[in-house]
Amino acid sequence: DAGVTQSPTHLIKTRGQQVTLRCSPKSGHDTVSWYQQALGQGPQFIFQYYEEEERQRGNFPDRFSGHQFPNYSSELNVNALLLGDSALYLCASSPDLADYGYTFGSGTRLTVV
Amino acid sequence: QQQVKQSPQSLIVQKGGISIINCAYENTAFDYFPWYQQFPGKGPALLIAIRPDVSEKKEGRFTISFNKSAKQFSLHIMDSQPGDSATYFCAANPRGGTASKLTFGTGTRLQVTL
Repeated sequence: DAGVTQSPTHLIKTRGQQVTLRCSPKSGHDTVSWYQQALGQGPQFIFQYYEEEERQRGNFPDRFSGHQFPNYSSELNVNALLLGDSALYLCASSPDLADYGYTFGSGTRLTVV
Repeated sequence: QQQVKQSPQSLIVQKGGISIINCAYENTAFDYFPWYQQFPGKGPALLIAIRPDVSEKKEGRFTISFNKSAKQFSLHIMDSQPGDSATYFCAANPRGGTASKLTFGTGTRLQVTL
């Protein structure tokens, strides 16, 4: 049973560009959340998707947007990349909105140069 | 605003020793307190979690102690092993919200030496 799958694993982008990161949740999970983990820091909540809608959002600018597809997979889009966006982006999935049993993927390492 | 403060930043423990990591929170709306273990190149993995209606929870070598009045909780790793060497994060989730808007601490890098 595959866990949470994220792609790509590594990515290098230039300032001002746009990036799309992808996440496939664990089988049986329908809720997807995205976190940003800067080097040496704890993950910070970006937003959560359930039933193809953004349900909660953390303190991140509108440059960060997302989408959830009918098969529960999700994308994170970041526009107008800044050097400070360099981080590990983690996707976590859970069986439903109220279930704490969620699983993190291994993340996408984004480097902005 | 850092709502969950974690200490120490790094910890070195001898094999067989006890590793202790502490966290303090400010938001009294938090009602779920998990600990995560993260190895390099991997995402965090849930180790153990507690709710504020109990003062202690033990799972194998891992124990959470919770002090609601002091708004503090800690992770104890008994009989620490080299395989426990990783970064540990405490976290908290508010009541009434959904299950994944976690607030994480800044992490503790644990090294268990032979």
